[in-house]
Amino acid sequence: DVVMTQSPLSLPVTLGQPASISCRSSQSLVYSDGNTYLNWFQQRPGQSPRRLIYKVSVRDSGVPDRFSGSGSGTDFTLTISRVEAEDIGVYYCMQGTHWPPVFGQGTKLEIK
Amino acid sequence: QVQLVESGGALVKPGGSLRLSCEASGFPFREYYMYWIRQTPGRGLEWIAYITETGGTIYYAASVKGRFTISRDNAKNSLYLQMNSLRVEDSAIYYCARDTSGSHFGYWGQGTLVTVSS
Repeated sequence: DVVMTQSPLSLPVTLGQPASISCRSSQSLVYSDGNTYLNWFQQRPGQSPRRLIYKVSVRDSGVPDRFSGSGSGTDFTLTISRVEAEDIGVYYCMQGTHWPPVFGQGTKLEIK
Repeated sequence: QVQLVESGGALVKPGGSLRLSCEASGFPFREYYMYWIRQTPGRGLEWIAYITETGGTIYYAASVKGRFTISRDNAKNSLYLQMNSLRVEDSAIYYCARDTSGSHFGYWGQGTLVTVSS
């Protein structure tokens, strides 16, 4: 299986400041159709995971534009331009290019 | 709006069985692949089973293959997970999920808790 490695695993942030989470895959995530199936999920405390971004950089409906995704091949980044209190939780990357789908370990975003 | 509601989670002894259900609404259930995903503190999020629209193709994670069975009833808009020979390490929150926008897991249910303990 593809291995997804996130860093850091814990990210203390100051409200209003930017935050970035890295995700690396053990194989290229470019699929034969030309798409790269790398998704980002947010899990707030006590809630189910919610998809924020799919295919590297496409925001899901209702996701604030302070969230952005970037990257290619094996290296990907989720960036929050200005962290708000409601952003606290755990963030996961996930690859869907190679079967089976695999999630990263998660990065816990917390307030300093 | 899309809704996925899981049920059936419980406390069960090792070696026991349990059947989870996921009731879908707000979309044409028969037109979508469906998944079961579980979450534990130790193993994080783990995809465990997948079924195509008609049930013609099914895949399992190695950790549950031979013990768990995914199925669906399109007339009832429902997805199921039959779990047999349960182990302590199967203790988790179990979610059903659906793709959207051509990519995985755009919709999730609220989850149902399974605890396997003697």
